[in-house]
Amino acid sequence: GIQVEQSPPDLILQEGANSTLRCNFSDSVNNLQWFHQNPWGQLINLFYIPSGTKQNGRLSATTVATERYSLLYISSSQTTDSGVYFCAVASAGKSTFGDGTTLTVKP
Amino acid sequence: KAGVTQTPRYLIKTRGQQVTLSCSPISGHRSVSWYQQTPGQGLQFLFEYFSETQRNKGNFPGRFSGRQFSNSRSEMNVSTLELGDSALYLCASSDSIAYEQYFGPGTRLTVT
Repeated sequence: GIQVEQSPPDLILQEGANSTLRCNFSDSVNNLQWFHQNPWGQLINLFYIPSGTKQNGRLSATTVATERYSLLYISSSQTTDSGVYFCAVASAGKSTFGDGTTLTVKP
Repeated sequence: KAGVTQTPRYLIKTRGQQVTLSCSPISGHRSVSWYQQTPGQGLQFLFEYFSETQRNKGNFPGRFSGRQFSNSRSEMNVSTLELGDSALYLCASSDSIAYEQYFGPGTRLTVT
């Protein structure tokens, strides 16, 4: 099956810093999503981005489908950005999640 | 629109018992997928139902089963519970085949 790798696995930032999270996938996909999992386990939709670039406030994402990677940018990070960020890809009707990047933003 | 709902939110069961979890998708969504999240294995796909039919299945033993009703609500059942079944079970709904998934809050199952 398709492999999804996220990097870095852990990231610690000071409030106000910027960061880039990466998601590599091993095969062509129908779609790609980024999620933020809050401390209670809820997965919050950030972006649905099978290709191209999208922005939502301090967050933006870019997927280069031909090169099989996606990037999530977080600018001016805040403590509330802490948590685990997942990318998930769908292929042949199945979704595969990466192992996530755990982000800690310190005040 | 109301979001995806899951019941119950928390559950404690004993080894050997069975359990049924419920998921109500976003109104109009016909696809429901189930996932298991554990610290060791991460988020793993269990199965997907679309219009009452199981359309895709992950690599889980037959103890894990599911179904979908005509109103798109879905249930998953785990029989003969094992300690390793302790996990957060998440369901997601979407409205098309190349879908954007929306997740419910999850059911946290503890097997003792």
